[in-house]
Amino acid sequence: AQTVTQSQPEMSVQEAETVTLSCTYDTSESDYYLFWYKQPPSRQMILVIRQEAYKQQNATENRFSVNFQKAAKSFSLKISDSQLGDAAMYFCAYRGTNTGNQFYFGTGTSLTVIP
Amino acid sequence: DSGVTQTPKHLITATGQRVTLRCSPRSGDLSVYWYQQSLDQGLQFLIQYYNGEERAKGNILERFSAQQFPDLHSELNLSSLELGDSALYFCASSVGVSGYNEKLFFGSGTQLSVL
Repeated sequence: AQTVTQSQPEMSVQEAETVTLSCTYDTSESDYYLFWYKQPPSRQMILVIRQEAYKQQNATENRFSVNFQKAAKSFSLKISDSQLGDAAMYFCAYRGTNTGNQFYFGTGTSLTVIP
Repeated sequence: DSGVTQTPKHLITATGQRVTLRCSPRSGDLSVYWYQQSLDQGLQFLIQYYNGEERAKGNILERFSAQQFPDLHSELNLSSLELGDSALYFCASSVGVSGYNEKLFFGSGTQLSVL
């Protein structure tokens, strides 16, 4: 099975600053999709951003952007101009095209935003 | 609102009991996933259904079972409950077409407390 690794259990950032959350994955597939989900204290899982592996251009959604390095199997999330509402658990996820539509999740990174 | 409906939101029961968690996927989604999230843990994949048939099975205990009905709603049955089964149980849905660039939409979860 594919594995998704988030090596930073906890991160903190000053309000208005930039923070990068790391994610690596292991796969033998060439075509796949990567996601970042946010889980705020409400515990609702919210899709933040996604990236198609066949696209070289990094995905961007407002203050959220990714750095996708396919050869290195790395998929980091950059949050710019951090806001208090960004405080949450962030999960990286992988979905292959030959894995029965399964989504594989990392163990999460807890982000604290310091006022 | 993700469009995925889970009921009940909270469930308190005793050890040894049996409960049923219900999930209605987003309109048009054929695939339903069940995940378990214990306190301060990541998402553990339990089982996936596609159009009424089991597609993939993860770390689901034998005491747990699930099914997806013709109207595409799904139920997760947990029996002989133990204290360790206390967790947040998520249902998620997706279109379910292999290779399709799809997203996973989560319900708000059922918080199960076994006393």
